[in-house]
Amino acid sequence: GAVVSQHPSRVICKSGTSVKIECRSLDFQATTMFWYRQFPKKSLMLMATSNEGSKATYEQGVEKDKFLINHASLTLSTLTVTSAHPEDSSFYICSATDRSLNYGYTFGSGTRLTVV
Amino acid sequence: GQNIDQPTEMTATEGAIVQINCTYQTSGFNGLFWYQQHAGEAPTFLSYNVLDGLEEKGRFSSFLSRSKGYSYLLLKELQMKDSASYLCAVREQGGKLIFGQGTELSVKP
Repeated sequence: GAVVSQHPSRVICKSGTSVKIECRSLDFQATTMFWYRQFPKKSLMLMATSNEGSKATYEQGVEKDKFLINHASLTLSTLTVTSAHPEDSSFYICSATDRSLNYGYTFGSGTRLTVV
Repeated sequence: GQNIDQPTEMTATEGAIVQINCTYQTSGFNGLFWYQQHAGEAPTFLSYNVLDGLEEKGRFSSFLSRSKGYSYLLLKELQMKDSASYLCAVREQGGKLIFGQGTELSVKP
């Protein structure tokens, strides 16, 4: 079946630094990638939608200059958390879709970000 | 606006049946998904409904009524491993998948 590989699975960084999270579709072309964040015991909150080769569309309240999303190819999308602060600590997860999946969704395994 | 409601927590007994309800009001509707999620892991797909009615898949069934903006997930013959969070999600026009807050199900012996 379709697989999305997400790395890193865990990362600890210092306040003020930037962290990049990658999601790769291994056996299909991810025309659209969704990025979510999840707080403990809460649901997935959609941050942004990115289509290959286009600028990402951010949900209301999400700072596009802080959460940089790149979707330069059909198999790779990245989320960079810039100038990270402790409040950015969260579980980040990507989800890809494509017509080859009949527009179902394949999720990455998630990244636990801790900013100290 | 978007509003997807489901109970925060439920408790059930091993071997029993449990029904998790979900009501939604969203900008457009293009299908409803149910996912299971264990803490710190990715959601796992359980079911998909786009037309009214019941979809059955083994111990899991899902029902949809578009006119009422209502769905439920039915879990039969509960097992301890079914303890998890169950997420209701609506696909809007354009493909965005919007999640409810999730229902934490605890299965007791």
